[in-house]
Amino acid sequence: GQNIDQPTEMTATEGAIVQINCTYQTSGFNGLFWYQQHAGEAPTFLSYNVLDGLEEKGRFSSFLSRSKGYSYLLLKELQMKDSASYLCAVRDTGGSYIPTFGRGTSLIVHP
Amino acid sequence: DTEVTQTPKHLVMGMTNKKSLKCEQHMGHRAMYWYKQKAKKPPELMFVYSYEKLSINESVPSRFSPECPNSSLLNLHLHALQPEDSALYLCASSPDRTDTEAFFGQGTRLTVV
Repeated sequence: GQNIDQPTEMTATEGAIVQINCTYQTSGFNGLFWYQQHAGEAPTFLSYNVLDGLEEKGRFSSFLSRSKGYSYLLLKELQMKDSASYLCAVRDTGGSYIPTFGRGTSLIVHP
Repeated sequence: DTEVTQTPKHLVMGMTNKKSLKCEQHMGHRAMYWYKQKAKKPPELMFVYSYEKLSINESVPSRFSPECPNSSLLNLHLHALQPEDSALYLCASSPDRTDTEAFFGQGTRLTVV
């Protein structure tokens, strides 16, 4: 299984940059996902990293370091609509191919 | 069509009732999932169907019974639930079980009274 840790809550200002960290421990790493979930809604896929480095997609970027068991999601030019829970999920090589979700980081963006 | 549709959106049921949750996708995905999510908690995997066959059951109590009638539909039959089963039930699908992106439905908010 995996042990996934991310901060419970973060706050940031509209227009700023915020970095949400995720650390994990797994016996065999096979990919890390970031999902966004607004309150009462379904999670939506943001990014997938399986190799070290930075993946950029518009205002959102995700970074992975497999040797450190570490990832972050970087959100630029924050907007009020970015207030949501951000879920880090890790997939291992156990064969199920199903990622396990971390508890999520609740991001509050204020004016 | 990139949607996963779940019905109903809300459901209130008594502990002696029998009800079903439905999930539908028309993206040609061959893997479908049921997750349970309690408030302020991450989604927890319940079942995985791959090519209409149950491939993963995460030790879910038998009062939850999944069914996959065809490649587009996934049901979750509920019977004799407990109040602690109240949660958001999410359906998801992906092209294949090994794929990287899963599409989630909006969920069914279930309340057991």
